[in-house]
Amino acid sequence: AQSVTQLGSHVSVSEGALVLLRCNYSSSVPPYLFWYVQYPNQGLQLLLKYTSAATLVKGINGFEAEFKKSETSFHLTKPSAHMSDAAEYFCAVRTNSGYSTLTFGKGTMLLVSP
Amino acid sequence: DTEVTQTPKHLVMGMTNKKSLKCEQHMGHRAMYWYKQKAKKPPELMFVYSYEKLSINESVPSRFSPECPNSSLLNLHLHALQPEDSALYLCASSQEPLGPGADQYFGPGTRLLVL
Repeated sequence: AQSVTQLGSHVSVSEGALVLLRCNYSSSVPPYLFWYVQYPNQGLQLLLKYTSAATLVKGINGFEAEFKKSETSFHLTKPSAHMSDAAEYFCAVRTNSGYSTLTFGKGTMLLVSP
Repeated sequence: DTEVTQTPKHLVMGMTNKKSLKCEQHMGHRAMYWYKQKAKKPPELMFVYSYEKLSINESVPSRFSPECPNSSLLNLHLHALQPEDSALYLCASSQEPLGPGADQYFGPGTRLLVL
């Protein structure tokens, strides 16, 4: 079975600082990996996805993630945090047996202080 | 139009009520999904519809009854719910149910409170 583990339920950064949200995956085959963001009282918005085309994936709002097979990681980064980035971030892996259902990590709450 | 819409935004119901949640997309997507999300938890898959047919039911209690009247519309009928069913109910859709076109796009959710 495929799974993802997000390290840290909360990450706090100052505005302008580097954002690093960690995600490690477990998969016996090349996975599809995703990062979603959820703002308070809203649905999930797709930030970016990895589908084996390129190891460095750029997403919306200045976020990017790098797929590292040797480390089974897909960490999300942003060079400079903005107050509006404060939200819950979910890493997810898509199963590739049968229907492509998503398995989510537990989420990481990003807190941005002025 | 790249939007999944859900109505209502908020719903309060008693344990004896019958209500329905509605989800709509006009992107021509052929797979639609219902998720349940409790506070501070990730979404949990409930149902998957593929080409208007129920493909996956994640052992959801029968008090939740999904319906897909057409390729754009997905309903979730609620009856005799329990207070522990209070949650954010999210709908999602994808172009295809599997493969490269299976990226899921989510609606804003319906926040349900069962009294």
